[in-house]
Amino acid sequence: GQSLEQPSEVTAVEGAIVQINCTYQTSGFYGLSWYQQHDGGAPTFLSYNALDGLEETGRFSSFLSRSDSYGYLLLQELQMKDSASYFCAVGSWGKLQFGAGTQVVVTP
Amino acid sequence: DADVTQTPRNRITKTGKRIMLECSQTKGHDRMYWYRQDPGLGLRLIYYSFDVKDINKGEISDGYSVSRQAQAKFSLSLESAIPNQTALYFCATSDKGQGATDTQYFGPGTRLTVL
Repeated sequence: GQSLEQPSEVTAVEGAIVQINCTYQTSGFYGLSWYQQHDGGAPTFLSYNALDGLEETGRFSSFLSRSDSYGYLLLQELQMKDSASYFCAVGSWGKLQFGAGTQVVVTP
Repeated sequence: DADVTQTPRNRITKTGKRIMLECSQTKGHDRMYWYRQDPGLGLRLIYYSFDVKDINKGEISDGYSVSRQAQAKFSLSLESAIPNQTALYFCATSDKGQGATDTQYFGPGTRLTVL
Protein backbone atom coordinates (compact mmCIF):
# COMPACT_ATOMS: atom_id res chain seq x y z
CA GLY A 1 0.00 0.00 0.00
CA GLN A 2 0.88 3.65 -0.15
CA SER A 3 0.44 6.62 2.15
CA LEU A 4 1.73 10.14 1.72
CA GLU A 5 2.17 12.84 4.31
CA GLN A 6 2.50 16.56 3.72
CA PRO A 7 1.96 19.59 5.95
CA SER A 8 -1.58 20.92 6.03
CA GLU A 9 -0.73 24.60 5.65
CA VAL A 10 2.18 26.91 4.93
CA THR A 11 2.08 30.71 5.06
CA ALA A 12 4.66 32.99 3.44
CA VAL A 13 4.99 36.53 2.10
CA GLU A 14 5.21 37.58 -1.52
CA GLY A 15 8.66 37.09 -2.96
CA ALA A 16 9.63 34.42 -0.45
CA ILE A 17 10.55 30.77 -1.05
CA VAL A 18 8.38 27.93 0.21
CA GLN A 19 9.26 24.25 0.41
CA ILE A 20 6.45 21.68 0.70
CA ASN A 21 7.67 18.31 1.89
CA CYS A 22 6.10 14.98 1.05
CA THR A 23 7.06 11.75 2.76
CA TYR A 24 5.68 8.47 1.62
CA GLN A 25 5.44 4.82 2.47
CA THR A 26 4.97 2.73 -0.60
CA SER A 27 5.52 -0.73 -1.92
CA GLY A 28 6.57 0.56 -5.30
CA PHE A 29 5.86 3.41 -7.68
CA TYR A 30 7.03 4.92 -10.94
CA GLY A 31 7.37 8.53 -9.89
CA LEU A 32 6.27 11.43 -7.70
CA SER A 33 3.98 14.10 -9.12
CA TRP A 34 2.80 17.48 -7.88
CA TYR A 35 -0.56 19.11 -8.62
CA GLN A 36 -1.87 22.58 -7.88
CA GLN A 37 -5.49 23.34 -7.06
CA HIS A 38 -6.93 26.80 -6.63
CA ASP A 39 -9.93 27.09 -4.37
CA GLY A 40 -12.93 25.43 -6.03
CA GLY A 41 -10.97 24.64 -9.17
CA ALA A 42 -9.62 21.57 -10.90
CA PRO A 43 -6.22 20.13 -9.92
CA THR A 44 -3.59 20.84 -12.56
CA PHE A 45 -0.28 19.08 -13.13
CA LEU A 46 2.87 20.94 -12.03
CA SER A 47 5.84 18.61 -11.98
CA TYR A 48 7.01 15.00 -12.10
CA ASN A 49 10.09 13.18 -10.81
CA ALA A 50 10.80 9.70 -12.12
CA LEU A 51 14.41 9.72 -10.97
CA ASP A 52 16.15 11.04 -7.87
CA GLY A 53 17.17 14.65 -8.07
CA LEU A 54 15.83 18.05 -8.91
CA GLU A 55 13.46 18.98 -11.74
CA GLU A 56 13.06 22.68 -12.48
CA THR A 57 10.10 24.28 -14.24
CA GLY A 58 10.28 28.04 -14.07
CA ARG A 59 9.69 29.25 -10.50
CA PHE A 60 8.76 25.74 -9.38
CA SER A 61 11.17 22.89 -8.69
CA SER A 62 10.55 19.38 -7.45
CA PHE A 63 12.92 16.95 -5.80
CA LEU A 64 12.83 13.21 -5.14
CA SER A 65 14.98 10.95 -3.00
CA ARG A 66 13.79 7.34 -3.18
CA SER A 67 16.34 6.21 -0.59
CA ASP A 68 14.83 8.66 1.92
CA SER A 69 11.20 8.12 0.79
CA TYR A 70 10.96 11.87 0.48
CA GLY A 71 10.24 14.58 -2.00
CA TYR A 72 9.51 18.27 -2.01
CA LEU A 73 8.09 21.05 -4.12
CA LEU A 74 9.93 24.36 -4.03
CA LEU A 75 8.06 27.53 -4.91
CA GLN A 76 10.33 30.51 -5.54
CA GLU A 77 9.56 34.22 -5.89
CA LEU A 78 6.13 33.65 -4.43
CA GLN A 79 3.26 35.54 -6.02
CA MET A 80 -0.26 36.10 -4.73
CA LYS A 81 -1.57 33.81 -7.48
CA ASP A 82 0.42 30.95 -5.92
CA SER A 83 -2.08 30.83 -3.04
CA ALA A 84 -3.56 27.38 -3.60
CA SER A 85 -3.44 23.79 -2.41
CA TYR A 86 -0.59 21.59 -3.55
CA PHE A 87 -0.81 17.80 -3.67
CA CYS A 88 1.93 15.23 -4.00
CA ALA A 89 0.97 11.95 -5.64
CA VAL A 90 2.69 8.66 -6.33
CA GLY A 91 1.95 6.89 -9.58
CA SER A 92 1.94 3.21 -10.38
CA TRP A 93 0.13 1.04 -12.93
CA GLY A 94 -1.71 3.98 -14.41
CA LYS A 95 -3.10 5.23 -11.11
CA LEU A 96 -2.22 8.07 -8.77
CA GLN A 97 -2.53 8.14 -5.00
CA PHE A 98 -2.66 11.64 -3.59
CA GLY A 99 -1.56 13.16 -0.33
CA ALA A 100 -4.07 15.24 1.65
CA GLY A 101 -2.67 18.47 0.28
CA THR A 102 -0.86 21.54 1.59
CA GLN A 103 -2.61 24.89 1.54
CA VAL A 104 -0.17 27.68 0.71
CA VAL A 105 -1.24 31.13 1.83
CA VAL A 106 0.70 34.02 0.33
CA THR A 107 0.45 37.34 2.17
CA PRO A 108 1.39 40.80 0.86
CA ASP B 1 -13.79 24.45 -25.37
CA ALA B 2 -12.68 22.55 -22.28
CA ASP B 3 -10.96 19.20 -22.89
CA VAL B 4 -12.68 17.48 -19.95
CA THR B 5 -16.23 18.45 -19.09
CA GLN B 6 -18.48 17.38 -16.27
CA THR B 7 -22.24 17.69 -15.89
CA PRO B 8 -23.90 18.83 -13.77
CA ARG B 9 -21.57 21.31 -12.08
CA ASN B 10 -23.72 21.48 -8.99
CA ARG B 11 -26.42 19.15 -7.72
CA ILE B 12 -28.53 19.03 -4.60
CA THR B 13 -30.46 15.84 -4.00
CA LYS B 14 -32.18 13.92 -1.24
CA THR B 15 -31.20 10.76 0.57
CA GLY B 16 -32.18 7.63 -1.37
CA LYS B 17 -32.25 9.25 -4.80
CA ARG B 18 -30.30 7.85 -7.74
CA ILE B 19 -27.82 10.31 -9.18
CA MET B 20 -25.65 10.19 -12.30
CA LEU B 21 -22.63 12.38 -12.87
CA GLU B 22 -21.32 12.55 -16.40
CA CYS B 23 -17.86 13.14 -17.81
CA SER B 24 -16.86 13.73 -21.40
CA GLN B 25 -13.41 14.35 -22.89
CA THR B 26 -12.08 15.47 -26.24
CA LYS B 27 -8.43 14.68 -25.48
CA GLY B 28 -8.58 11.26 -27.11
CA HIS B 29 -7.26 9.60 -23.95
CA ASP B 30 -7.98 5.98 -23.19
CA ARG B 31 -7.80 6.20 -19.41
CA MET B 32 -10.51 7.84 -17.30
CA TYR B 33 -10.93 8.19 -13.55
CA TRP B 34 -13.46 9.31 -10.95
CA TYR B 35 -12.33 10.88 -7.67
CA ARG B 36 -14.07 12.44 -4.72
CA GLN B 37 -12.57 15.24 -2.69
CA ASP B 38 -13.43 15.96 0.91
CA PRO B 39 -11.84 18.74 2.99
CA GLY B 40 -8.56 17.56 4.51
CA LEU B 41 -8.62 14.21 2.71
CA GLY B 42 -7.29 15.07 -0.70
CA LEU B 43 -8.44 13.18 -3.77
CA ARG B 44 -9.56 9.59 -3.38
CA LEU B 45 -10.04 7.24 -6.32
CA ILE B 46 -13.52 5.78 -6.75
CA TYR B 47 -13.30 3.93 -10.10
CA TYR B 48 -11.03 3.92 -13.12
CA SER B 49 -11.13 2.61 -16.65
CA PHE B 50 -8.21 1.99 -19.02
CA ASP B 51 -10.41 1.43 -22.07
CA VAL B 52 -14.06 0.96 -22.99
CA LYS B 53 -14.17 -2.67 -21.83
CA ASP B 54 -12.12 -2.15 -18.68
CA ILE B 55 -13.62 -1.06 -15.33
CA ASN B 56 -11.77 -1.21 -12.02
CA LYS B 57 -12.63 -0.33 -8.44
CA GLY B 58 -10.60 2.27 -6.64
CA GLU B 59 -10.07 2.67 -2.92
CA ILE B 60 -13.62 3.87 -2.11
CA SER B 61 -16.00 2.24 -4.61
CA ASP B 62 -18.73 1.15 -2.17
CA GLY B 63 -22.02 2.91 -2.92
CA TYR B 64 -20.91 3.89 -6.44
CA SER B 65 -21.06 2.36 -9.91
CA VAL B 66 -19.71 3.49 -13.27
CA SER B 67 -20.35 3.07 -16.96
CA ARG B 68 -17.87 3.63 -19.80
CA GLN B 69 -20.21 4.32 -22.70
CA ALA B 70 -17.47 5.23 -25.16
CA GLN B 71 -13.82 6.18 -25.17
CA ALA B 72 -14.88 9.77 -24.50
CA LYS B 73 -17.57 9.19 -21.87
CA PHE B 74 -17.40 7.88 -18.31
CA SER B 75 -20.36 8.19 -15.95
CA LEU B 76 -20.53 7.80 -12.18
CA SER B 77 -23.76 6.72 -10.47
CA LEU B 78 -24.85 6.82 -6.89
CA GLU B 79 -27.58 4.20 -6.72
CA SER B 80 -29.06 5.45 -3.46
CA ALA B 81 -27.44 8.65 -2.31
CA ILE B 82 -26.60 9.19 1.36
CA PRO B 83 -25.46 12.38 3.13
CA ASN B 84 -21.85 11.24 3.59
CA GLN B 85 -21.54 11.17 -0.20
CA THR B 86 -21.71 14.95 -0.14
CA ALA B 87 -18.42 15.96 -1.74
CA LEU B 88 -16.70 17.48 -4.74
CA TYR B 89 -16.37 14.92 -7.54
CA PHE B 90 -13.72 15.09 -10.24
CA CYS B 91 -13.29 13.20 -13.48
CA ALA B 92 -9.81 12.89 -14.93
CA THR B 93 -8.16 11.46 -18.04
CA SER B 94 -4.71 10.14 -18.86
CA ASP B 95 -2.92 9.02 -22.01
CA LYS B 96 -1.41 5.54 -21.82
CA GLY B 97 1.10 6.70 -24.40
CA GLN B 98 2.80 8.83 -21.79
CA GLY B 99 4.40 5.78 -20.24
CA ALA B 100 5.11 6.07 -16.55
CA THR B 101 4.39 9.78 -16.22
CA ASP B 102 0.71 9.17 -15.40
CA THR B 103 -0.12 12.85 -15.81
CA GLN B 104 -3.83 13.29 -15.31
CA TYR B 105 -6.08 16.04 -16.66
CA PHE B 106 -9.03 16.98 -14.51
CA GLY B 107 -12.50 18.24 -15.28
CA PRO B 108 -13.96 21.25 -13.46
CA GLY B 109 -15.70 19.13 -10.83
CA THR B 110 -19.27 18.48 -9.69
CA ARG B 111 -20.33 19.70 -6.28
CA LEU B 112 -22.87 17.21 -4.92
CA THR B 113 -24.94 17.80 -1.80
CA VAL B 114 -27.09 15.01 -0.39
CA LEU B 115 -29.68 16.18 2.11
